[in-house]
Amino acid sequence: KNEVEQSPQNLTAQEGEFITINCSYSVGISALHWLQQHPGGGIVSLFMLSSGKKKHGRLIATINIQEKHSSLHITASHPRDSAVYICAVSARTGGGADGLTFGKGTHLIIQP
Amino acid sequence: NAGVTQTPKFRILKIGQSMTLQCTQDMNHNYMYWYRQDPGMGLKLIYYSVGAGITDKGEVPNGYNVSRSTTEDFPLRLELAAPSQTSVYFCASSTETYTEAFFGQGTRLTVV
Repeated sequence: KNEVEQSPQNLTAQEGEFITINCSYSVGISALHWLQQHPGGGIVSLFMLSSGKKKHGRLIATINIQEKHSSLHITASHPRDSAVYICAVSARTGGGADGLTFGKGTHLIIQP
Repeated sequence: NAGVTQTPKFRILKIGQSMTLQCTQDMNHNYMYWYRQDPGMGLKLIYYSVGAGITDKGEVPNGYNVSRSTTEDFPLRLELAAPSQTSVYFCASSTETYTEAFFGQGTRLTVV
């Protein structure tokens, strides 16, 4: 079973700062997902990646398959980025579906 | 395009009562999942389905049942509610186990 570890658990930063959230996993995967969850809200998929790097606006996600590690970066952070960011991994299985294995999340607060 | 729709958003149950959490998706996804989210923990897989008529247990299935009579619907049944089932429940769907997952808005359930 894959183990997914995120760091830090909590992060408070000032508006404009560059943010990095890290995720490591224990066994090989087919894809890694970064998800965002606002307080009291649903979960939204930000990125799904299996290699390299992806960018959406101010968000950048990278993955190193050999080191079993991924990072989520936020440039020019803004208070509306305040949310819980969740790393999850999926494995390609033979005939069934094991769903996603999730990290515990990183609670990010951006202060004005 | 509604995506994944869950109802209800909130519910308070008394110990021993039963209820069904509804989940429907309009993306023609084969894979559907039920997760629960407890404070300070990563989401855990309760049950999943790879298509109509096929369901299987996840990591924490005890106390729950599911059915998948159509591609669109994947209801989760709690037969005898217990305080340990107090949690936030998320339904999700995807085209394959290793592709982007789409989540519902969640159901906050309290058992008293």
